[in-house]
Amino acid sequence: SQTIHQWPATLVQPVGSPLSLECTVEGTSNPNLYWYRQAAGRGLQLLFYSVGIGQISSEVPQNLSASRPQDRQFILSSKKLLLSDSGFYLCAWSVRDRQIYSNQPQHFGDGTRLSIL
Amino acid sequence: AQTVTQSQPEMSVQEAETVTLSCTYDTSESDYYLFWYKQPPSRQMILVIRQEAYKQQNATENRFSVNFQKAAKSFSLKISDSQLGDAAMYFCAYRSVPMHAGNMLTFGGGTRLMVKP
Repeated sequence: SQTIHQWPATLVQPVGSPLSLECTVEGTSNPNLYWYRQAAGRGLQLLFYSVGIGQISSEVPQNLSASRPQDRQFILSSKKLLLSDSGFYLCAWSVRDRQIYSNQPQHFGDGTRLSIL
Repeated sequence: AQTVTQSQPEMSVQEAETVTLSCTYDTSESDYYLFWYKQPPSRQMILVIRQEAYKQQNATENRFSVNFQKAAKSFSLKISDSQLGDAAMYFCAYRSVPMHAGNMLTFGGGTRLMVKP
C-alpha cells in the first residue's frame, strides 16, 4: 500500500532562518506531489505542485521554493523565513491521471506545524 | 479560476442525528470532480467522499452522502447518525478534469463540525 511521510511534525524557527521540510511517498511511482499551507482557522492554499522530477509549478508567489530531486521526494524550502510563513504545511500525492474521467483523490501526509519566532 | 465557498464556519449536531454541510463553487467548466475531506484534531486530511460532475447520481459512503446540484453549483455533505468521531473540520474541494498537468485541488474555507453527546 502507498504511504506518505512528512517531517518534521513540528518546527520552531527564528525569523530569517532557512527552512527545509521533506516529504516522501512509498508504494507508488510517478506520483503528482503537492505542498499546501493552512493558516490558522483557514482552508488550504496550494503552494507548489510537481508532475515529475525537477518539474515544479508555483501557484502563489512567495518566500518559499520547492524541489523534487527524486521521483517520490518533495522538499519545501526557504532561504529566509518570515513571520507570515507560520502555519501548517501539508504534503500530498495523487496518482498521475491518464484517463480523462479518472477521479483520483489526493492523499495527505500528517503535516508540519511551523512556528516562526 | 475556480472558487469554493463554505458559508458555515461552524456547525453543531447532536449525537445520532443528521447534519448537512453546505458547499458552493464557481466554475466555467462542465467536467470536474468534487471532494469532501475531513480534518480531525490530529490535522491529517482524510478523504470522505468524492463526486464526478458527469454523474447525476449522488455519491454515498456509509453514513456520508452528498446532494450534488450541478446547475446550482452546490455540493452539500450529509452526515447521518452522527458520531463523536465525526467532530472535525470539513473541507469541500474542487478539481478540474485532468486535461492539464497538476490536478490541483481548490479548497473551501472549511466548516468546523461539533458533535454533542
